[in-house]
Amino acid sequence: QQQVKQSPQSLIVQKGGISIINCAYENTAFDYFPWYQQFPGKGPALLIAIRPDVSEKKEGRFTISFNKSAKQFSLHIMDSQPGDSATYFCAASTRSGFQKLVFGTGTRLLVSP
Amino acid sequence: GAVVSQHPSWVICKSGTSVKIECRSLDFQATTMFWYRQFPKQSLMLMATSNEGSKATYEQGVEKDKFLINHASLTLSTLTVTSAHPEDSSFYICSASPLAGNTGELFFGEGSRLTVL
Repeated sequence: QQQVKQSPQSLIVQKGGISIINCAYENTAFDYFPWYQQFPGKGPALLIAIRPDVSEKKEGRFTISFNKSAKQFSLHIMDSQPGDSATYFCAASTRSGFQKLVFGTGTRLLVSP
Repeated sequence: GAVVSQHPSWVICKSGTSVKIECRSLDFQATTMFWYRQFPKQSLMLMATSNEGSKATYEQGVEKDKFLINHASLTLSTLTVTSAHPEDSSFYICSASPLAGNTGELFFGEGSRLTVL
């Protein structure tokens, strides 16, 4: 129940296209859903995060869509660029398990020029 | 954003030796820091929660006597891999969140790559 399932495992998108990564969870106590970007040999960096009181959050080219009833959330990267090529992780945590993140399995995104 | 620094960024050691990795919050204080381990092409797995001034809390399956954690101040946590073996070779990453103005955001260090020969 603590798992966060992420798909696809890898994704190739042409420059300018939309990258979509999906995550699903079981634990209804989760109330914080961040997305992290990780480049090879580096630590993850927070991209964008959402709480379940909203269904969508947009920051620049990055948008999180959140479906509470389906227990799913997704990351959309608009106008994908080669510099976006990285591994993306979704994560979740509970209010009681403050900041104790459960990570998805990761998606390796390659944006072709 | 806040900065978390890890040292060393990479280390190679012989089997049976111990290695210490430092995690520092450079511009904020944190009562809690987290240690993760990441194998190649895999996700981050939480190893333990480091609490300033008290014992660390380890996740199930993580040997506390092998992975010693010390959180001596509000800006420093250390992870010591004792009697390291090749299977301990991994990417170790720490994270922390500021005490003040806490939005819940976790800041991650750059990671420390350990190779045990």
